Amino acid sequence: EDQVTQSPEALRLQEGESSSLNCSYTVSGLRGLFWYRQDPGKGPEFLFTLYSAGEEKEKERLKATLTKKESFLHITAPKPEDSATYLCALSSGSARQLTFGSGTQLTVLP
Amino acid sequence: NAGVTQTPKFQVLKTGQSMTLQCAQDMNHEYMSWYRQDPGMGLRLIHYSVGAGITDQGEVPNGYNVSRSTTEDFPLRLLSAAPSQTSVYFCASGREGTYEQYFGPGTRLTVT
Repeated sequence: EDQVTQSPEALRLQEGESSSLNCSYTVSGLRGLFWYRQDPGKGPEFLFTLYSAGEEKEKERLKATLTKKESFLHITAPKPEDSATYLCALSSGSARQLTFGSGTQLTVLP
Repeated sequence: NAGVTQTPKFQVLKTGQSMTLQCAQDMNHEYMSWYRQDPGMGLRLIHYSVGAGITDQGEVPNGYNVSRSTTEDFPLRLLSAAPSQTSVYFCASGREGTYEQYFGPGTRLTVT
């Protein structure tokens, strides 16, 4: 059974204080590892897809990386507007359904 | 291009009532799905569809029905609402050849 575990559950950073969010997973036949951002009262917003170990993707202050057991979302010099819940999900086998982690709630203080 | 739209945004039902949550997408995506989000449990798949006329069950299908008569629309029906169905419901869609999915804004449902 596919499993996704995110840590920490919550993270508070000062503006400009870089950090990383962790997503560890167990899967048979990874099709893709996804990162989403979710603001309160909104739907998840797609950020990145990673397909194989060693792959990296970047978008503004965010960089996602992938190993065979984990993915990291690195946040460089965050701003208050980066505050949100970040969700990790994976797709495996022939199905397109996503298995989600419980998310990391990030708060960036000015 | 509106993306994925959902109606209503909020709904309160009494136990035993039925209703339909609407979902539409204008991206010509063949894949559509419904998830529910509950505190501490992440998003869980209810039903999905790989194209018009084709649907299948996800992780938590009991108490819900779906149909897909067009590419654009994928309604979710609650047959007899129960308090355990109080949740936030998200519809998502994805195009052929990728595994990425794009989510709608959600419907917050309360069953009393």
